[in-house]
Amino acid sequence: GAGVSQTPSNKVTEKGKYVELRCDPISGHTALYWYRQSLGQGPEFLIYFQGTGAADDSGLPNDRFFAVRPEGSVSTLKIQRTERGDSAVYLCASSPGTGGEAFFGQGTRLTVV
Amino acid sequence: QQQVKQSPQSLIVQKGGISIINCAYENTAFDYFPWYQQFPGKGPALLIAIRPDVSEKKEGRFTISFNKSAKQFSLHIMDSQPGDSATYFCAARSSGSARQLTFGSGTQLTVLP
Repeated sequence: GAGVSQTPSNKVTEKGKYVELRCDPISGHTALYWYRQSLGQGPEFLIYFQGTGAADDSGLPNDRFFAVRPEGSVSTLKIQRTERGDSAVYLCASSPGTGGEAFFGQGTRLTVV
Repeated sequence: QQQVKQSPQSLIVQKGGISIINCAYENTAFDYFPWYQQFPGKGPALLIAIRPDVSEKKEGRFTISFNKSAKQFSLHIMDSQPGDSATYFCAARSSGSARQLTFGSGTQLTVLP
């Protein structure tokens, strides 16, 4: 498809487990962002990639969260030792460059039980 | 400094009426102010955006009014339709190295038929 694709759309995991969330940005978009959206709240920034490198990871809440984008396209958000407070919708967005419009995927709803 | 405050939290409007959502910011480094529309289970989608060098921007039924001195901006939806029922988020982005969006907390709009 032409839009930002996120997989899985839903993920239920047990407390303490490791999860990976995938984002396929729009082809050619160099900038990629991860946001987290809790119920009834606006998205909160986690990390921003320009190409393969993390240009800004200041939004990652702690060292259990890590993200990669090894080839400058697909990105994976990794969460270790999940906690119930990690339950949220994780949104990915991409843009043609740092000043362009950001296009969001439909999100991955993560539930930690 | 990074916060964007949005009001009201929820809004109910009759079909054909005007919906008005307001946002305020503190960070004078913000130079791009988009509004996003989000339907349940979907990611946010850009509706309209403005830069601080203009005081108003109109696209169809949607208008952004921007008051730089007051550090406030608002979304007006004219002739509101039931299909406009969604959650609306204002956002802001800095002109500096931080390219992420800072979102408001959202307004749930319901347009009654």
